[in-house]
Order: sequence, then C-alpha cells, then structure tokens
Amino acid sequence: KQEVTQIPAALSVPEGENLVLNCSFTDSAIYNLQWFRQDPGKGLTSLLLIQSSQREQTSGRLNASLDKSSGRSTLYIAASQPGDSATYLCAVSYTGGFKTIFGAGTRLFVKA
Amino acid sequence: DVKVTQSSRYLVKRTGEKVFLECVQDMDHENMFWYRQDPGLGLRLIYFSYDVKMKEKGDIPEGYSVSREKKERFSLILESASTNQTSMYLCASSFWFVGQAQETQYFGPGTRLLVL
Repeated sequence: KQEVTQIPAALSVPEGENLVLNCSFTDSAIYNLQWFRQDPGKGLTSLLLIQSSQREQTSGRLNASLDKSSGRSTLYIAASQPGDSATYLCAVSYTGGFKTIFGAGTRLFVKA
Repeated sequence: DVKVTQSSRYLVKRTGEKVFLECVQDMDHENMFWYRQDPGLGLRLIYFSYDVKMKEKGDIPEGYSVSREKKERFSLILESASTNQTSMYLCASSFWFVGQAQETQYFGPGTRLLVL
C-alpha cells in the first residue's frame, strides 16, 4: 500500500531557528514529490516540486531534498520567521496515474 | 495568475439535504479533483475528472457524485448530506502530460461544510 508519513505531527520553534521537516513514502517508484503549505482554514499552496531524477530544489529560505532509495524527503527552512507558521504537507505522485498521495502534515509554530 | 475558486467558504446544511459544491479554474487544466480533509487523516481523494464529462472514483466516493459539463467547472454533489460528511472540501486542478503523472496541483481556498 502506498503511504506517505510526516514526522513530527507538530513542531514549535523560536524565531530564527533552522528546522527540518521529514516525509517518508513506502513506494519509492515516484514520479515527483511536492511540498505544500496550508494556512489555517485555507487551501494548499505549492512550495517546491522535485522530479524523481532530481536530488533537491531550493526556493529562498526553503530547500527540499529527495532520496528515492530510502523513501525520504526533507524540507529545510532556514532562519524561521513567525510568518512561516502553517501546516506543511508532503505529496507524492506516481507515473501513469492521476493519484497524488498526501501526508497528514506537520503543523509548525514559530514563536516571536 | 493561476486561480481556482470555490463557490462557498462556509456552508451549514441539515441532514438529508442535497448539497452542491462548485469549483472553477481559469487555467484550462484538463484534470480537476475533489478532496476532503479531516484532522489526522490528511487529504483523501473523493473523485477526479481528466476531461469534460469524464470522472473517476477516488478513495472515498461513497455518498458523493460529481459533474463536469464544462472544462473549467467541476461540481461535487452530496445527494443526501450526513453528519459524517462534515469536513473541509478542497478542489484542485492540474495539467496532464500524456504518459506521465500529473504536475503541480493548484488548490482552491476550500469549503468548510457543517452538516447538522
């Protein structure tokens, strides 16, 4: 069964700290992996998309890595800010299908 | 700018009512999706559509139906609302490349539905 797991479920850090969010997936034959951000009561916003042939993607203070062989991805947030407080979701898509499997998310709170 | 809109942000309905949730995208995307999101369960796919008048069941289609008469519009219908359908409903759309999986999904703001 294809599953995506995110650990921890919730995280609270002081402003300025660097942090890592983890995502693991059971089927490593992925097509791509995405990280989304969701603010309370809102829809999802795509942050980074990594194709299966790539190892990492960067956007500003965000860096996402992908290790297909171990079934893991990490989202690194540098110099965290209170505005980074949100839920971060990892999602995996597989070749030939329309299905994207989402993790349950990590709820991040950055304290000022 | 990419845009997916949903007809309502909040809805309160009574058990047994027929409920319509509308989603419109302005990106000419082939694929459209309806998910529900519940605490601790993540997003679960209800239905998706890869073309006008085409639909496929997702993981939890029971109690729901969909309609896609125009490319830009995808409707989710709760035939007879029940309390266990109280949830956040999210619509999304994406391009489709032949022979590949889909690329980035763009999400609407969500509809929070309460069934009493």
